[in-house]
Amino acid sequence: DVKVTQSSRYLVKRTGEKVFLECVQDMDHENMFWYRQDPGLGLRLIYFSYDVKMKEKGDIPEGYSVSREKKERFSLILESASTNQTSMYLCASSTSGGPDTQYFGPGTRLTVL
Amino acid sequence: SQQGEEDPQALSIQEGENATMNCSYKTSINNLQWYRQNSGRGLVHLILIRSNEREKHSGRLRVTLDTSKKSSSLLITASRAADTASYFCATDPGNMLTFGGGTRLMVKP
Repeated sequence: DVKVTQSSRYLVKRTGEKVFLECVQDMDHENMFWYRQDPGLGLRLIYFSYDVKMKEKGDIPEGYSVSREKKERFSLILESASTNQTSMYLCASSTSGGPDTQYFGPGTRLTVL
Repeated sequence: SQQGEEDPQALSIQEGENATMNCSYKTSINNLQWYRQNSGRGLVHLILIRSNEREKHSGRLRVTLDTSKKSSSLLITASRAADTASYFCATDPGNMLTFGGGTRLMVKP
């Protein structure tokens, strides 16, 4: 079974802090994604990566950056957390060369005070 | 941007009844997928239907796709309390999956 893990289930940070959310997948998938999920807005894509050291902006990249130094790990960075970044963050991975079926991690619920 | 829109937004039924959720989308697609999300958890892939397929079954799930109407439906037969979750359709136009806002299904025992 594909396993996607996220470093924290719940996280509380203060405004202005730098926040790292880590995601690791164990299926050698090329593609990795970061979404945020908010009530009434569904899933919105922040960033994705289709290879090591490659990254592409999604629909809402502002205020975020990402890092993919190794194939299995994709990090989401909030350089200076703000209260409007309080949300559920979901990481996903998929393989190239076929339908984009994505495998999700359990999510990180981030609260910025 | 949301390519798929689910309808209804919320659905409440009794255990044993069937649940039908609909998804409409705007552009041409390669395939359409349905995912399930239990409260506070990640999404789990349920079923994929390709653009040249009209119907697909998986256990108690039945998915239909009408590309002329740009719509899909997910039917869960003989629902159980454990089916309580949010269900999302996701369309794949060829470059990126786009998720709808989801249908919240509650199955009462």
